[in-house]
Amino acid sequence: EAGVVQSPRYKIIEKKQPVAFWCNPISGHNTLYWYLQNLGQGPELLIRYENEEAVDDSQLPKDRFSAERLKGVDSTLKIQPAELGDSAVYLCASSLGQGGEETQYFGPGTRLLVL
Amino acid sequence: DAKTTQPPSMDCAEGRAANLPCNHSTISGNEYVYWYRQIHSQGPQYIIHGLKNNETNEMASLIITEDRKSSTLILPHATLRDTAVYYCIVTRGGTASKLTFGTGTRLQVTL
Repeated sequence: EAGVVQSPRYKIIEKKQPVAFWCNPISGHNTLYWYLQNLGQGPELLIRYENEEAVDDSQLPKDRFSAERLKGVDSTLKIQPAELGDSAVYLCASSLGQGGEETQYFGPGTRLLVL
Repeated sequence: DAKTTQPPSMDCAEGRAANLPCNHSTISGNEYVYWYRQIHSQGPQYIIHGLKNNETNEMASLIITEDRKSSTLILPHATLRDTAVYYCIVTRGGTASKLTFGTGTRLQVTL
C-alpha cells in the first residue's frame, strides 16, 4: 500500500516568490493534515481537513498561507509571498477519519529554502 | 492534551534493548500514548500507541504504568537503522486528535 506522497521533495526559491506543495494522502483516508517543522523542533499543525472541509486552520498564517483540498483527496498548500522565515520542512499526514483511535501517517515532507 | 517529558538523548549498543522513557503525569483517562520516530530527513513514522494496556507490534513494545503517568518504549534489539528522534505524544482519540510534538529523545545506536 502506497504511503502519503508529497512533491516536490525539495524547493529553493527567492523571497517574495510564490511556492506550492502538493500532497496525496493514503487511499481511503478522509482526514488530511499539514504540519510545519522548523530545524531542530518537532512538527506543528498548520491545518486539518476532514474530507474537503478545513475544520482546524487556527495555526495557519492566513495573510500569506492558503490551502485547498478539492474533492476531498489531494491537497495543495501555498505560500505567497514567501519570506526567509518560511524556510522549513512542510509535512503532510493523513488518517482514516472514522473516529476512535486516529493514527496519523506522514509523508516524507517538502524541504523549502527561501533565499 | 497532556504534556510529556522525555530525556533529550540516549545511547544504545547495537543488538541491545533500547528503553525510552516518557513522563505524562497529567494524562487524562481518555488520552492515548502515541510514539513516533523521525529518522534524519524523513517524515515522522508511527511506531505504536496504547491507552491502558501494554502493547506490542513488530516494531516495538509499549509499557504503560498502572497509574498511566509514565510509559516506556522498548526496541528489543536495536540496530543502527533505529537511530532517530523518538517522540512520545499524548492525545485524545478521534479525528480532532492533535499531535503536539515536543523535542523528543535523540537515540543514537552504536556498534
